[in-house]
Amino acid sequence: SQQGEEDPQALSIQEGENATMNCSYKTSINNLQWYRQNSGRGLVHLILIRSNEREKHSGRLRVTLDTSKKSSSLLITASRAADTASYFCATDADSSASKIIFGSGTRLSIRP
Amino acid sequence: NAGVTQTPKFQVLKTGQSMTLQCAQDMNHEYMSWYRQDPGMGLRLIHYSVGAGITDQGEVPNGYNVSRSTTEDFPLRLLSAAPSQTSVYFCASSYSREKLFFGSGTQLSVL
Repeated sequence: SQQGEEDPQALSIQEGENATMNCSYKTSINNLQWYRQNSGRGLVHLILIRSNEREKHSGRLRVTLDTSKKSSSLLITASRAADTASYFCATDADSSASKIIFGSGTRLSIRP
Repeated sequence: NAGVTQTPKFQVLKTGQSMTLQCAQDMNHEYMSWYRQDPGMGLRLIHYSVGAGITDQGEVPNGYNVSRSTTEDFPLRLLSAAPSQTSVYFCASSYSREKLFFGSGTQLSVL
């Protein structure tokens, strides 16, 4: 089974609204990463949050991490059509941080 | 820099055939990995390597072999293809494992 599970599986919102997606994971981690995948393309790294951080910002992205609940959330503010993509969380699933395991992803659609 | 280059982009195999998916990176990254992505699913880790001469198994290693003779290349071999291996394969590399750089993928169909 996969380390991370995203929720919801799919999300459709109006352009300009905020989008929030969640990730839950199973084991202790050193860090958690979020990636975006446009249709038919490879993944692109968005942001990393370390286990000793609770919140991190990058442009319109805000990531939170709650290690006690083994969960993270990604907030995209003021969504744009170009944000339409699938979003995945990824965690280092072993103590050596060598196995980077991805969740099942959230498909985000932005309606014009 | 070309980044991570995967070849071929598309491949059709018959059951039982063998082939090698190529992955090369020009960023001098020590860490490289292979994932497969089935329709509507996330990525599952097949094998990874933390440096030349070192490889290890991921979540779904059965049916796949890898080797890492150079820092730049990390080929993935299918010894006897099966329909269950129909998928999109992604190679990734990283300097620190804190930011993976992905190739554009190889779409493989096994008939």
